Amino acid sequence: AQTVTQSQPEMSVQEAETVTLSCTYDTSENNYYLFWYKQPPSRQMILVIRQEAYKQQNATENRFSVNFQKAAKSFSLKISDSQLGDTAMYFCAFSLISNFGNEKLTFGTGTRLTIIP
Amino acid sequence: NAGVTQTPKFQVLKTGQSMTLQCAQDMNHNSMYWYRQDPGMGLRLIYYSASEGTTDKGEVPNGYNVSRLNKREFSLRLESAAPSQTSVYFCASRGVGANVLTFGAGSRLTVL
Repeated sequence: AQTVTQSQPEMSVQEAETVTLSCTYDTSENNYYLFWYKQPPSRQMILVIRQEAYKQQNATENRFSVNFQKAAKSFSLKISDSQLGDTAMYFCAFSLISNFGNEKLTFGTGTRLTIIP
Repeated sequence: NAGVTQTPKFQVLKTGQSMTLQCAQDMNHNSMYWYRQDPGMGLRLIYYSASEGTTDKGEVPNGYNVSRLNKREFSLRLESAAPSQTSVYFCASRGVGANVLTFGAGSRLTVL
């Protein structure tokens, strides 16, 4: 079974600073996806960024980027120039790649990020 | 385009009562999922359906039943609610070949 670990239950950072959220995972498989989801106070789950394990290049989406270390099974999220709207719970998630359409996401326990004005 | 719609958004039950959470998606997705979210535990998979007519247990299926009524709809039923089932429930769906889940807005259930 796959597991996802987020070791930082809470973090806070000043507005405009950079913050990095940590995530590690455990799997014996070679082909998989990794994700970061954001959950603001509205409760909606919003995809922030995703990474295919077969790609060596780290994914980037505007101010959000990841540091994917496959050998170390590490998948951290960096938020640059943080904004008040980044205040949310962030979940790291893992999914195997399957041809059977039964892929499931396994989530970490989340990191509550607060951006301080 | 509504995406994934869950009803109700809020519900309060007494121990032993039953209820059904409804979920519908309009994206022609094959796979649908039910997760529960509890403080400090992230999202845990209750049941999923890889395609119409199939359902499988996830990590925490005890106390729940599901029905994949058709391709659009996937309902979650609590036959005899318990306080341990107080949670926020999320329905999600995924298209063939897609690697991203689309989530509903969540349903907050309180069992007294």
